[in-house]
Order: sequence, then structure tokens, then C-alpha cells
Amino acid sequence: GAVVSQHPSWVICKSGTSVKIECRSLDFQATTMFWYRQFPKQSLMLMATSNEGSKATYEQGVEKDKFLINHASLTLSTLTVTSAHPEDSSFYICSARDGGRAGYNSPLHFGNGTRLTVT
Amino acid sequence: GENVEQHPSTLSVQEGDSAVIKCTYSDSASNYFPWYKQELGKRPQLIIDIRSNVGEKKDQRIAVTLNKTAKHFSLHITETQPEDSAVYFCAASLTAGNQFYFGTGTSLTVIP
Repeated sequence: GAVVSQHPSWVICKSGTSVKIECRSLDFQATTMFWYRQFPKQSLMLMATSNEGSKATYEQGVEKDKFLINHASLTLSTLTVTSAHPEDSSFYICSARDGGRAGYNSPLHFGNGTRLTVT
Repeated sequence: GENVEQHPSTLSVQEGDSAVIKCTYSDSASNYFPWYKQELGKRPQLIIDIRSNVGEKKDQRIAVTLNKTAKHFSLHITETQPEDSAVYFCAASLTAGNQFYFGTGTSLTVIP
């Protein structure tokens, strides 16, 4: 089945530094990847849609200059949390659809997530 | 965008009983409705999905029903087992946008 790999799984950084999270589709091409944020015991909130070769589409309320997304290839999308602050501490999880197989109505495959702690 | 509501937020059932989780969505253009199970600290895993041209789908102890007119869909788990304990999320996918919007989640506890 389709596999999405996310790295790192856990990161602790100091306030003011930047953190990059990678999301890779291992056995399929993903022209579109999605970045979610999940607070403890809460739902997955869509942050942005990452499109290969073009600018990401951000959901309302998400700062695009704060959360930089780059989708340079069909198998890799990165999320960079710039100038991180403690309130950015959260569980970030990427996902992708195998659009080559079933188009719009195909399942969303998730990475393992990245737990970010900003001290 | 799409707005997905999910109820209840917590649900406790005795082992062997059935569990039902309900979701509503706002955008009539949504045409794909998956359900995900998330265990603590792990990624969400797809357990069942339904497309808008189908009213019901079943996979062993799990079933999903969809009412497009009323814009709601439900997850039914029969003969629950302790390993069914997890957080369950419903989601809706828009036809054109390709994004998934998730419900708020239901924490299911199956009591042995």
C-alpha cells in the first residue's frame, strides 16, 4: 500500500529557531500533499495544501510566512516552522493521496507525524 | 470551506455492544467520506470509506452509512472489542479541492 514517510518524528528546539519537517511519498507520486496540525485530544486541522511546482494554499488563519511549505518534487514536501515559539508546539502531520491510482476518491495516507516542542 | 461536525466526543461501551458515531457536513459538493482510527501517538489509519454514490458499506464489524440529502454519515461498530478503543475521525473530501476536512473526533472506550 501507499506509504508516507515523515521526518523527524520528534524535535525539540529553542524559541526563535526554525525547524524543517520532511514528508515523502515512498511508493507513489503525490502532486498534492496536505499538512495538518493536531493539538492534544483535538482534531486534525488542515493548515495548507502543498502543490508540486507551485505555491502552497493556506487555510484561513495560517500564517504563510510562519509556516513555509516547499513541494519541489513529486515525492517530497517540506514544512518549515520559522522563528518558532512555544505556542507552535504541536503535532504536525503530513498526508498525501495516491492520485495516480484513483484520482479524487482515493484515501489519504498519513505520515507518522512530528511532535514539535519549542522551549 | 467544508465544516464537519462529529458526535459524540466521547463514547464508552461494554465489550460486545455496538458503537455509533455520527458526522454531518456542510458542503453538498463533498463526495468522499473516510473514517480514520487513531491510537495514542500514532498516525490516523483508514478503516473504512464511502463514496457519494453508495448509501451503505460494510466491512466485517464495521459499517458506514451515508445520507446525502441530510448530509450526514455514520460509523457503526458491532461486537466491540477492547482493541477498538481509540479516537475515531470522520472526514469529508471536496470534489475539486482535494482537501480533507476532519471532524472533531470521538474517543471510544470499550470496557472489558
